[in-house]
Amino acid sequence: NAGVTQTPKFRVLKTGQSMTLLCAQDMNHEYMYWYRQDPGMGLRLIHYSVGEGTTAKGEVPDGYNVSRLKKQNFLLGLESAAPSQTSVYFCATQRTDTQYFGPGTRLTVL
Amino acid sequence: SQKIEQNSEALNIQEGKTATLTCNYTNYSPAYLQWYRQDPGRGPVFLLLIRENEKEKRKERLKVTFDTTLKQSLFHITASQPADSATYLCALAGGTSYGKLTFGQGTILTVHP
Repeated sequence: NAGVTQTPKFRVLKTGQSMTLLCAQDMNHEYMYWYRQDPGMGLRLIHYSVGEGTTAKGEVPDGYNVSRLKKQNFLLGLESAAPSQTSVYFCATQRTDTQYFGPGTRLTVL
Repeated sequence: SQKIEQNSEALNIQEGKTATLTCNYTNYSPAYLQWYRQDPGRGPVFLLLIRENEKEKRKERLKVTFDTTLKQSLFHITASQPADSATYLCALAGGTSYGKLTFGQGTILTVHP
């Protein structure tokens, strides 16, 4: 079992470009989350989903969109990237009270 | 506003000693509190969960305490080893927000041989 995987691992964008980060899980978990991690800030919740076809805003949703068309995939989109979105992005799934994190995507916006 | 503070950004100890990490929170009524370990370049990994009605939890060399009066959790690693060196994150979940965690900024623990 791969658990939680994230694609890509690294990406460099120019300001204004768009991209989609993919999170995939093979654990059949209903709940999925997108976080960003910045130095000294801890993990902050961007968006989350409680099941296929559902999404909801987290703490820092501005500038991001998400989709959960299939249970196993949770996509995070940046329509027009800004330097403030330079960060490490983590996806997580949840079973009962435990979250399982992916390896992260390091995104740099120039 | 809700606030979680891990009041040591970095902690250095000698191998064999007990490491104690602190997590304090304000304006929060958590249903449970969790501790995660994060190694460089990797995602966090769940270690322990303690609920609001529990005082202490243990798992091998790990111990967590939870004092809802003091609004504080202590995380202990006994007989520490260099392999315990990592960043440790505390996270709280509110009772009505199932699963949504709020994380502290983390404490970098270094265990010296």
